[in-house]
Amino acid sequence: AQKVTQAQTEISVVEKEDVTLDCVYETRDTTYYLFWYKQPPSGELVFLIRRNSFDEQNEISGRYSWNFQKSTSSFNFTITASQVVDSAVYFCALSEAGSGGYQKVTFGTGTKLQVIP
Amino acid sequence: DAGITQSPRHKVTETGTPVTLRCHQTENHRYMYWYRQDPGHGLRLIHYSYGVKDTDKGEVSDGYSVSRSKTEDFLLTLESATSSQTSVYFCAIRVGLSGQNSYEQYFGPGTRLTVT
Repeated sequence: AQKVTQAQTEISVVEKEDVTLDCVYETRDTTYYLFWYKQPPSGELVFLIRRNSFDEQNEISGRYSWNFQKSTSSFNFTITASQVVDSAVYFCALSEAGSGGYQKVTFGTGTKLQVIP
Repeated sequence: DAGITQSPRHKVTETGTPVTLRCHQTENHRYMYWYRQDPGHGLRLIHYSYGVKDTDKGEVSDGYSVSRSKTEDFLLTLESATSSQTSVYFCAIRVGLSGQNSYEQYFGPGTRLTVT
């Protein structure tokens, strides 16, 4: 069974600090996909990134970076020089390639990030 | 913008009444999903659809039914609403590049349902 754990329920940082959101996953598949979504206070869910299990290259997009480590089953998300607009709930998610054509996605319970000005 | 709308955006209803939520997409995607979001649970799949009139259950389907008579519309019905169905409901579509084995899901704006 697939499982996603986001142990950090809430994090508060002061603006311009760096912050890392942890995501640990469990899967029996050798091929799987990991995602991060952002949910700002307005409530919509915004897709941020998808990472395939066969691609362990880390990715950077502006102030955002993602560290994928299969050895520790982690897919951590770092925001550099945080800004107030980064305040949101962030969800990590996992999909197994063998979960059927509909692609079951399992979400973590989310980490609420508050960036204090 | 993935072209997904949900209606209504907010609804308050009484226990025992039927409720139907609508998800509409403009991009002809085959797969559509209904999730509910509750504190401490993240998002949980209620039902999904893989085509017109093709639907199946997710992990929390009890008390819910769905229908998809057109590609663009996916309806979620609470036959007899209960207080435990108070939640935020999100519709999603599956989007991906042709030939890839993985897809992202893009979400609608959500419907906040309160059952009193």
